Amino acid sequence: EVQLVETGGGLVQPGKSLKLTCATSGFTFSTAWMHWVRQSPEKRLEWIARIKDKSNNYATDYVESVKGRFTISRDDSKSSVYLQMNSLKEEDTATYYCTAGSLYWGQGVMVTVSS
Amino acid sequence: DIQMTQSPSFLSASVGDRVTINCKASQNINRYLNWYQQKLGEAPKLLIYNANSLQTGIPSRFSGSGSGTDFTLTISSLQPEDVATYFCLQHNSWPRTFGGGTKLELK
Repeated sequence: EVQLVETGGGLVQPGKSLKLTCATSGFTFSTAWMHWVRQSPEKRLEWIARIKDKSNNYATDYVESVKGRFTISRDDSKSSVYLQMNSLKEEDTATYYCTAGSLYWGQGVMVTVSS
Repeated sequence: DIQMTQSPSFLSASVGDRVTINCKASQNINRYLNWYQQKLGEAPKLLIYNANSLQTGIPSRFSGSGSGTDFTLTISSLQPEDVATYFCLQHNSWPRTFGGGTKLELK
């Protein structure tokens, strides 16, 4: 059974940092392109980051709204993908999902940025 | 970025109705268009990939069509369990972008 489980969310003040973890099982993680997608409280979906596999040199891409603040990384030995979020803003408040190749999704984790 | 315009935003239909949802891309995305279903409190679920390919396990009443800039999701006979919000997603180019969603309710 495929599982993706996100952890690390919570309430954080503007300007602070948070790191999300997505632990996976049930599929060949090492060859999967992994992504983070977020959904705002208004239910708007935004595809924010992706990391390719080793054969593609673990190349990363970011949407403009998070470029320079967020970093996606992966550990193939742990079948996990991470999202380091720095300089958080109130508009980063959302449910964050990790997804493998657009098909498999985690249940999501909430991040609230507020003073 | 490619803009995805989805219509309608809200849709009310009866059990057994044929339902269509449209998505229009701001530029040619070939057939790189997915459709997702999201029920309350759940993650999006892939229904259709590459415009017209039915994902494994999805009922055959769901179908997709289109290419280039205009795409359609069709539910041939609406069932109560289809109440959800539907999103289109283009994956032709980065960043991937979603439509604004269509909330489908039972009449």
